[in-house]
Amino acid sequence: EVQLVESGGGLVQPGGSLRLSCAASGFTFSTYWMHWVRQTPGKGLLWVSRISSDGRLTTSADSVKGRFTISRDNAKNTLYLQMNSLGADDTAVYYCAGGLGDYWGQGTLVTVSS
Amino acid sequence: DVVMTQSPLSLPVTLGQPASISCRSSQSLVHSDGNTYLSWFLQRPGQSPRRLIHKVSNRGSGVPDRFSGSGSGTNFTLKISRVEAEDVGVFYCMQGTHWPYTFGQGTKLEIK
Repeated sequence: EVQLVESGGGLVQPGGSLRLSCAASGFTFSTYWMHWVRQTPGKGLLWVSRISSDGRLTTSADSVKGRFTISRDNAKNTLYLQMNSLGADDTAVYYCAGGLGDYWGQGTLVTVSS
Repeated sequence: DVVMTQSPLSLPVTLGQPASISCRSSQSLVHSDGNTYLSWFLQRPGQSPRRLIHKVSNRGSGVPDRFSGSGSGTNFTLKISRVEAEDVGVFYCMQGTHWPYTFGQGTKLEIK
């Protein structure tokens, strides 16, 4: 059974940082591009960042470029999202996704508020 | 960014009746590799999105055959041949051809 389990979300003050993790199992993680997607009631679903299967290629949406860094550890079957300089607009449920939405985690809520 | 426009945004349907959702993109979704990366997702209340259709018309593993996708270029359609109670939720189209990948606004299906 495929599982993607996110962790690391929570309440953080504006300007703060968080690191999200996504533990993968049940599929060959090292062969899949992996992604972070966020969802807010107001702006819907936004594809945040992607990383190639070997970790060499990464791309991020303009709204998070320079603040968020996606990475992966194929030996640990784990995807990461380092989020810095967080603002209220970053408040969302963050999902990790495998492939072009083949697999999704259950999501982790990030709330940026003082 | 490619804008994905869905219609309708609200879709009340009687159980057992068909339903159709349209999705239009602001530019062609044909990739340089020849594929068209248009997917459909269903997000049931309280759940993560689940992909139903990928590359326009390919049903995912375990997806009932009452779901079908069609279209090309910039115009796409998801059809449900007979709506069931478990189809309640929000349907999204998504393009994976041009970065950043983008979703439609969502179509909320409810049972009349």
